[in-house]
Amino acid sequence: DAGVIQSPRHEVTEMGQEVTLRCKPISGHDYLFWYRQTMMRGLELLIYFNNNVPIDDSGMPEDRFSAKMPNASFSTLKIQPSEPRDSAVYFCASSSRTGADIQYFGAGTRLSVL
Amino acid sequence: GQNIDQPTEMTATEGAIVQINCTYQTSGFNGLFWYQQHAGEAPTFLSYNVLDGLEEKGRFSSFLSRSKGYSYLLLKELQMKDSASYLCAVRSYQAGTALIFGKGTTLSVSS
Repeated sequence: DAGVIQSPRHEVTEMGQEVTLRCKPISGHDYLFWYRQTMMRGLELLIYFNNNVPIDDSGMPEDRFSAKMPNASFSTLKIQPSEPRDSAVYFCASSSRTGADIQYFGAGTRLSVL
Repeated sequence: GQNIDQPTEMTATEGAIVQINCTYQTSGFNGLFWYQQHAGEAPTFLSYNVLDGLEEKGRFSSFLSRSKGYSYLLLKELQMKDSASYLCAVRSYQAGTALIFGKGTTLSVSS
């Protein structure tokens, strides 16, 4: 299996621009998670889906952030408009109940908002 | 709420043994995970404990005491490649399958 695939790996954008991060989970996994990692706050859960349905989005910082999962093999995290404080590494992870809920992480997207 | 504490940094030498502690406070505890994260890379799964006791996996072992809200990760025969951040994460029934991560312990192994 190719593992969790995220794109792009790096994104540099200017304040106010829209940013879209993409994730392809491991085939057969029914849970998908979006995390944000910064030095100050560590690894924070933003939102997670089960069978394409958002279950908990309490970690989404504000209305500028939105996430979708239109099908079992694709999810997006969108920031509009982006701000410098959104600069972080964004990870996507997936898991399955039959795999003891162990989460497998993608390589991450390093976002820099100037 | 939930709270997870781990030391920020630790240092050790090659061949030594190091123990990384993690204390947590949560209601409805449903498992503790350890992940390894090398600089600039993604976290990778190391171990999982849901019952009290020691889980051994090669050079790495993880221990859990649910009554004390305490876990440790034991790394034996340290190698330079073990230099990384080690993240403790807790799952609770209230949060479903979501994990709450500690801020991680950065381990530096020197020769």
